[in-house]
Amino acid sequence: DTGVSQNPRHKITKRGQNVTFRCDPISEHNRLYWYRQTLGQGPEFLTYFQNEAQLEKSRLLSDRFSAERPKGSFSTLEIQRTEQGDSAMYLCASSLVDGRTEAFFGQGTRLTVV
Amino acid sequence: GQQVMQIPQYQHVQEGEDFTTYCNSSTTLSNIQWYKQRPGGHPVFLIQLVKSGEVKKQKRLTFQFGEAKKNSSLHITATQTTDVGTYFCAVIYGGATNKLIFGTGTLLAVQP
Repeated sequence: DTGVSQNPRHKITKRGQNVTFRCDPISEHNRLYWYRQTLGQGPEFLTYFQNEAQLEKSRLLSDRFSAERPKGSFSTLEIQRTEQGDSAMYLCASSLVDGRTEAFFGQGTRLTVV
Repeated sequence: GQQVMQIPQYQHVQEGEDFTTYCNSSTTLSNIQWYKQRPGGHPVFLIQLVKSGEVKKQKRLTFQFGEAKKNSSLHITATQTTDVGTYFCAVIYGGATNKLIFGTGTLLAVQP
C-alpha cells in the first residue's frame, strides 16, 4: 500500500458540468475525510466517513456536493453544476480510529472551472 | 462554532533565525496535531500532543500544548531553507462529530 491515492490529479471543466473525484484510502483506515483548499487557506472540512457511513457534511457545503463511500473502501466526491467558485484543490485524507488519529493525505485533485 | 486560529499568517526569516507559530482554540481540546505543507504539496503529519502542558521535540522543532489545552505552539530553532512551507495545527473536536479541523496556517519563508 503506497498511501492515499486521488484521481484525477487535475480536472478542468466548463461551468455547469458535473465532475467526480475518486479517493482510495490506506486499506486498513476506517476514517476518510474530504477537504477543500484554496490558495493561502487551510484545508476546509467538507465531509467525512466512518467506514461506509457518512457522519457529517459541512453546513457550508451546498447541495451540489455529494460524497459516497460504498463498502467502506474508496470514496467519490461529486460536484454537480459546477461554478467558478468551486475551483480549488480537493484533498482526501484517511486515518485509523483507535486514538492514533494521524491523517494521511493524498496528493489532491485540482479543479479548475472555466 | 469550532474555530482554530493561527498567528502569524506569514513569517519571513533569515536562515538561522528562530520561528514560532501559535494556535488558539475557542474550546478545550482533547488533542492537537501539527502538519507541514510544502509549496505545491499536501499536508504531512508532524506530531500529536495529548496531555496538558506537554512538550515534544523533533530535532530543531519544539511543540507545546498549553496547560488549559486551548492553545499550542510550534517553535523552530535556527531555521533552514528546508523548513519553508505552511504549518497547520489541527484539532479533533470530540462529542458527536469528532472530526479533524485545520487551523488557518502560518506560511514560513526562509531567506538564505
